[in-house]
Amino acid sequence: GAGVSQSPSNKVTEKGKDVELRCDPISGHTALYWYRQRLGQGLEFLIYFQGNSAPDKSGLPSDRFSAERTGESVSTLTIQRTQQEDSAVYLCASSYSGTGGSTEAFFGQGTRLTVV
Amino acid sequence: GEDVEQSLFLSVREGDSSVINCTYTDSSSTYLYWYKQEPGAGLQLLTYIFSNMDMKQDQRLTVLLNKKDKHLSLRIADTQTGDSAIYFCAEKRGGSYIPTFGRGTSLIVHP
Repeated sequence: GAGVSQSPSNKVTEKGKDVELRCDPISGHTALYWYRQRLGQGLEFLIYFQGNSAPDKSGLPSDRFSAERTGESVSTLTIQRTQQEDSAVYLCASSYSGTGGSTEAFFGQGTRLTVV
Repeated sequence: GEDVEQSLFLSVREGDSSVINCTYTDSSSTYLYWYKQEPGAGLQLLTYIFSNMDMKQDQRLTVLLNKKDKHLSLRIADTQTGDSAIYFCAEKRGGSYIPTFGRGTSLIVHP
């Protein structure tokens, strides 16, 4: 596709349920990032994938959060046993390469998650 | 304190210049970015500057970098109502692949 695509755009879930968020990066982009944006806050780094290397999971806030990416394609972010504090916009970005250069990151429109 | 700091709000009159400021803490930052986020949309890269530069101009946008003070600014000339958005400053440190973002500055342009 022309840009980074995320689905769903909005998700309302009950506390304690699991959710899965999807990101389709720009074709050919080897680097993929997940960020969380809470209301009125900046972007909080969650996880980074680069090609077939082991992902950088240093930003994941708890073991309820996990993410996968197959090769250089789609990524899914899974939140288990959701809590109200998980309510946020989850943003995905991709770039041609995470190494060197200006490596502009292109962002998707985000998934707004509301836990009730 | 935060790694990247910005003031939260800026209000300007249409036609005036806007200056959005950002400070960062890591002297090894290699690239510094300005992103724009319109309501309900993702972030869009506006411009970036490499750390060995002190100024970059792109149409109505001027980026100034003071590496000694670790201060970055974005000037928007002739600000229009369409410029109303949240502007995020971000840095990429030497040896890191992960941009670190500030909280964003909400720019409000009124007639």
